[in-house]
Amino acid sequence: AQSVAQPEDQVNVAEGNPLTVKCTYSVSGNPYLFWYVQYPNRGLQFLLKYITGDNLVKGSYGFEAEFNKSQTSFHLKKPSALVSDSALYFCAVRDAGDKIIFGKGTRLHILP
Amino acid sequence: NAGVTQTPKFRVLKTGQSMTLLCAQDMNHEYMYWYRQDPGMGLRLIHYSVGEGTTAKGEVPDGYNVSRLKKQNFLLGLESAAPSQTSVYFCASSSPRTSGNYEQYFGPGTRLTVT
Repeated sequence: AQSVAQPEDQVNVAEGNPLTVKCTYSVSGNPYLFWYVQYPNRGLQFLLKYITGDNLVKGSYGFEAEFNKSQTSFHLKKPSALVSDSALYFCAVRDAGDKIIFGKGTRLHILP
Repeated sequence: NAGVTQTPKFRVLKTGQSMTLLCAQDMNHEYMYWYRQDPGMGLRLIHYSVGEGTTAKGEVPDGYNVSRLKKQNFLLGLESAAPSQTSVYFCASSSPRTSGNYEQYFGPGTRLTVT
């Protein structure tokens, strides 16, 4: 079965610094990977996805993610963090039967 | 477009009571899903539907039933609520067959407390 792991429960970054939220995956076949963001008291919002092609995927709100097949990773990145980026971030992978399997989430705190 | 809407936003039940959560989407999506979100557990799939009249079990289906009588609506029922069902429930939809895209669009959630 497909799975994703987010090794950090929480990440703290100073405003203006680059941020990385880590995700590793385990799949059979080619991975179809996602990142979602959840702001307080809201549903999840789609940020970006990787299907095939360029290993650097760009998404909403200035976020990007780097797909690394050899390390089975799909880390979320942003060059300069904003306080408004503080939220819960989920990595996810497409599973059999067109379902999506979500990681447990990483809480990102951007410190002013 | 309203996207995905959920009714109600909040609810408090006593143990043993029943209720139905309604999800509606106006994007003509084929697939719809019900998840529950608990602290430290991420999102767990309860039931899903790949089309009108069809439903399937997800990861944590026990204690829940669903129905998809119309393409735009997906109902989640709790026949006899238990405190373990205290959670935030999210509905989502997607259209992989028609669009080839698998990303899901989420509703705002229903916060359910069972006492």
